[in-house]
Amino acid sequence: EAGVAQSPRYKIIEKRQSVAFWCNPISGHATLYWYQQILGQGPKLLIQFQNNGVVDDSQLPKDRFSAERLKGVDSTLKIQPAKLEDSAVYLCASSLGGGVSGTRTSYEQYFGPGTRLTVT
Amino acid sequence: GNSVTQMEGPVTLSEEAFLTINCTYTATGYPSLFWYVQYPGEGLQLLLKATKADDKGSNKGFEATYRKETTSFHLEKGSVQVSDSAVYFCALSPQGGSEKLVFGKGTKLTVNP
Repeated sequence: EAGVAQSPRYKIIEKRQSVAFWCNPISGHATLYWYQQILGQGPKLLIQFQNNGVVDDSQLPKDRFSAERLKGVDSTLKIQPAKLEDSAVYLCASSLGGGVSGTRTSYEQYFGPGTRLTVT
Repeated sequence: GNSVTQMEGPVTLSEEAFLTINCTYTATGYPSLFWYVQYPGEGLQLLLKATKADDKGSNKGFEATYRKETTSFHLEKGSVQVSDSAVYFCALSPQGGSEKLVFGKGTKLTVNP
C-alpha cells in the first residue's frame, strides 16, 4: 500500500514570496491533515479536511495561509506572502476517518515525509 | 485546553540500557494517547497507542500504560539498541471532536554502542 506522498521535499524561498505544497493521501482515506513542525517543537495542526470539507482550521493563519482539497483526494497548502517564521517542516497526514467505521482505530493517522521550507 | 508535556531532551544512553521518557497530559474526558517516532530523515510513524485508561500499548519492545489517575503515558523499553536513536513524540487525540493530534515537543534519544 502506497503511503502519503508529499512534494516538494525541500523548498527555499525569500520572504514575501509565495509557495505551495502538495499532498496525496493514502487511497480511500477520507480525512486529511496539514501540520506545521517548527524546529525543536512538536507538530501543530493547521487544517483538517473530511473529504473536501474543512473540519478544523482554527490554527491556520488565514491572512497568509490557504488550503484546498477540491475533489476530496489531493490537497495543496499555500503560503502567500511567506515570513521568516514560516520556516518549518510541513507535514501531511491522512486517516480513514470516523465516518467510515465510527471506531477510534479509523482515526489512526499516517504521515508523509514532509516538506522542509526555509524562508530567507 | 489540551496539552502534552514531555521530558526535556536530549537523552543519551548506552546500548542495552533501560529507557524511560516521561509524558503527562492535560485534557477533558478520555483522550486517546499515542507515541510517535521520527527516525533521522524520515516521517512520523506511530509507535504505539492506548485508547482508554489502564490500556497498555506495546510495539517493538516499547511499552506505555495509560494512567488516568496521574494523567501520564510514559514510554519505556527494557534494552535499547542503536537503531532506536530517533525523536519520540507523545501525543493525544481529544475525546470526540475532530480527532486531531496534539503533540508534545519531542525527546531526542541517542543510543551509543
